[in-house]
Amino acid sequence: GAGVSQSPRYKVAKRGQDVALRCDPISGHVSLFWYQQALGQGPEFLTYFQNEAQLDKSGLPSDRFFAERPEGSVSTLKIQRTQQEDSAVYLCASSLGGVTEAFFGQGTRLTVV
Amino acid sequence: RKEVEQDPGPFNVPEGATVAFNCTYSNSASQSFFWYRQDCRKEPKLLMSVYSSGNEDGRFTAQLNRASQYISLLIRDSKLSDSATYLCVVNMDSGYALNFGKGTSLLVTP
Repeated sequence: GAGVSQSPRYKVAKRGQDVALRCDPISGHVSLFWYQQALGQGPEFLTYFQNEAQLDKSGLPSDRFFAERPEGSVSTLKIQRTQQEDSAVYLCASSLGGVTEAFFGQGTRLTVV
Repeated sequence: RKEVEQDPGPFNVPEGATVAFNCTYSNSASQSFFWYRQDCRKEPKLLMSVYSSGNEDGRFTAQLNRASQYISLLIRDSKLSDSATYLCVVNMDSGYALNFGKGTSLLVTP
């Protein structure tokens, strides 16, 4: 379909391993967001892109987290040296701009063992 | 203190009941307000935006009180399919983040 696509859907990583999570937003959507959702919690903001520019990364929990969107379309969230507390669902959302309706992907469930 | 606080759940109600959820936000500069719905193990989806004058969409009514920094969602004639987690979402126009509450779980029973 034409929705937000995330891959992989599930990822199991050994502690200390690097992971890369991919987000394919809806075509033409300018804004792209990454969120982290722990079990039983609401989504927590990580970072925001407007086209290829990362305008807000205030939610990234540590310098182990890095996000990019080099061509203003697909985005990758990279987590280096994963820790158990990184286990969560990582949600990507896109919108036409700013804070108009944001459409979410189904998320990547990361489990760090 | 979390920026967006919601009623603790879960709410268990019978079909046909009316149920109300409340939400408070801490930042008086907040400009945009939404209710999202999240089904178990699914992604959040927009339920409705919340406007200053209040707005209604079928069985759902949203209200905003800027003075009290309070948002509400009323669901009338609850259906089994309304069972989900309802997320209160707030944004400041000066920032890009949609700030989510923890969510309130609703279970509608036959």
